[in-house]
Amino acid sequence: NAGVTQTPKFQVLKTGQSMTLQCAQDMNHNSMYWYRQDPGMGLRLIYYSASEGTTDKGEVPNGYNVSRLNKREFSLRLESAAPSQTSVYFCASSALQGVNEQYFGPGTRLTVT
Amino acid sequence: GENVEQHPSTLSVQEGDSAVIKCTYSDSASNYFPWYKQELGKGPQLIIDIRSNVGEKKDQRIAVTLNKTAKHFSLHITETQPEDSAVYFCAADPSGAGSYQLTFGKGTKLSVIP
Repeated sequence: NAGVTQTPKFQVLKTGQSMTLQCAQDMNHNSMYWYRQDPGMGLRLIYYSASEGTTDKGEVPNGYNVSRLNKREFSLRLESAAPSQTSVYFCASSALQGVNEQYFGPGTRLTVT
Repeated sequence: GENVEQHPSTLSVQEGDSAVIKCTYSDSASNYFPWYKQELGKGPQLIIDIRSNVGEKKDQRIAVTLNKTAKHFSLHITETQPEDSAVYFCAADPSGAGSYQLTFGKGTKLSVIP
């Protein structure tokens, strides 16, 4: 039982390049989330998926798109990376949306030059 | 929306002493308050949580207290050990208002000095 896994662990992009961050969970959770973590800012929600087939914007969705591929997988896409998107990205999952524990992956450290 | 304030931003304690981290929240509809520990280079890990129908919860050396009237909650770590050194985040979930989004505090870096 690996929990929440993320790939890649590290990535360097040039401004304007695109990439997809992958996330998978093996806990049979219904809800999945993408956060970004910046120094002194805590964790901010980018997008979430309450259940398979649904996605919704969080606090900071601009510049990102998401896909809930199936119950296990939730990807985050940067279509045209900008230096302001340099951050550490975390995927999380929870059994249900709402009053439930969220379990986090190990993160992807992204640098945009 | 919900706003969570966390204090202090850094905290240094001697091994064996207690550490207290405090958070306040703005949305009275919030009813779930988790605490996460993040070690260097890792993702946040849930260490304890409390729901609005409970005033205090303990798990070995850690405890969380909740004052819904004052809209604040606190993490207490007793008999601190060097392995407690990490960044701690509080969060609030205003699910009672239908938001379903955890709002995090900005974190407290705890250093336990041997």
